[in-house]
Parts: sequence; C-alpha cells; structure tokens
Amino acid sequence: DGGITQSPKYLFRKEGQNVTLSCEQNLNHDAMYWYRQDPGQGLRLIYYSQIVNDFQKGDIAEGYSVSREKKESFPLTVTSAQKNPTAFYLCASSAFQGHTEAFFGQGTRLTVV
Amino acid sequence: QKEVEQNSGPLSVPEGAIASLNCTYSDRGSQSFFWYRQYSGKSPELIMFIYSNGDKEDGRFTAQLNKASQYVSLLIRDSQPSDSATYLCAVPISGGYNKLIFGAGTRLAVHP
Repeated sequence: DGGITQSPKYLFRKEGQNVTLSCEQNLNHDAMYWYRQDPGQGLRLIYYSQIVNDFQKGDIAEGYSVSREKKESFPLTVTSAQKNPTAFYLCASSAFQGHTEAFFGQGTRLTVV
Repeated sequence: QKEVEQNSGPLSVPEGAIASLNCTYSDRGSQSFFWYRQYSGKSPELIMFIYSNGDKEDGRFTAQLNKASQYVSLLIRDSQPSDSATYLCAVPISGGYNKLIFGAGTRLAVHP
C-alpha cells in the first residue's frame, strides 16, 4: 500500500541530545514537509523540500536540520539547540505539479525527559 | 498578518445543524485551497479541496471560495457528533516553492 511512514511513534529525548525522526514515502511524491504541532495549536512548518538534495527553511527551522538524499526519505534531526522540542511532529508529502494536497504520516510524539 | 487565519473556536453546534468554518489567506497568488480534519492525537486527513471560485460539494461537505475576498469556507450539513474535530485550512503559498501553510485550526464540537 502507498503511504507515508513515520517512526518512531513515540520518542523520548534527554536534555542535550540530538534525535532523528524518520519519514519515508512510497507515493513517488516530489515534495516533502515537516511540521510541528503543540497542544491546541495548528501546524507550523519546520522545513520543506521540493526535490532531492534541496530543501528550504520554514517558519520555525531554528534547532532543526534535515536532509533529502533520496526522493523517498526526509529525516528530521532535532538538535540540542532546540530548547523546547516536546511536541507532535508530522511529516507530509505532495506531488509538486498539479494537485498539491499533502498526505500525512501518523506522526511522532517527542518528549524531553 | 498571518498567511492563513482561522477562528480557533470552539464552534459548538447541535446535531443536525449546519457548521460553518471560515478561513482567510494573505497571498493573492494562491491557486488551491485545502480543508483537513484532525481528530485529537491523530494526523490530519484531507476532506476537501477547491481551486475555482464558487462552491464545491462532496456529500455533506461544501467548500466555498472567493478569491477576490481571499476567503474560503467549509460548510458541514447535518452535523454529527463524529464530526467533532479540529478543521485545518491549508494554502500553498505561490512563488515557485510549494510552501504549504496551515491555519491554526477551528475546533468543532457537535453536541447531541
């Protein structure tokens, strides 16, 4: 079945650690996104990528890094520079041309302990 | 001005009523508009999209777009308790990159 897979579903991070969230899609989509959602809030864009080896900062990129070495994969690293990383992280993908609706993975809930 | 704005709610409607959800956007070049539904603790799911001015109907859902006023709305007819969720408006921002921006979402509560 085609879709977007995020892993892990739950992640716990100690203060000062870097952690990497995985996002894989088999929809042959060109565009991929990372969003952060805090309780009771909307989705805020962290990074997005239109093609392999290219990505752009979103509205809240500080403390995060990404790579896009393969079309199917867009991992997000939450670095120790992100002071308040506890949140729900959502990865999405969409076709670059034509319809641009985004499809989401099931999300990763990150908690700092 | 935020790129995509929605009233956060909660919007409370009785079962069987029409729920009306509104969204305004700042980029006059935006060409497509999306409504997502998000249940608590889950990821958003697409329920409607609209590209042309006017109305688009799909079952109990109607999306309305007015590009001159930079306004898009979602009507839910015969609201059911299962419609209780947060509804997110999403707009790709024009300018070459497909930057998809979401509003803060409107929480809808349908009470029996």
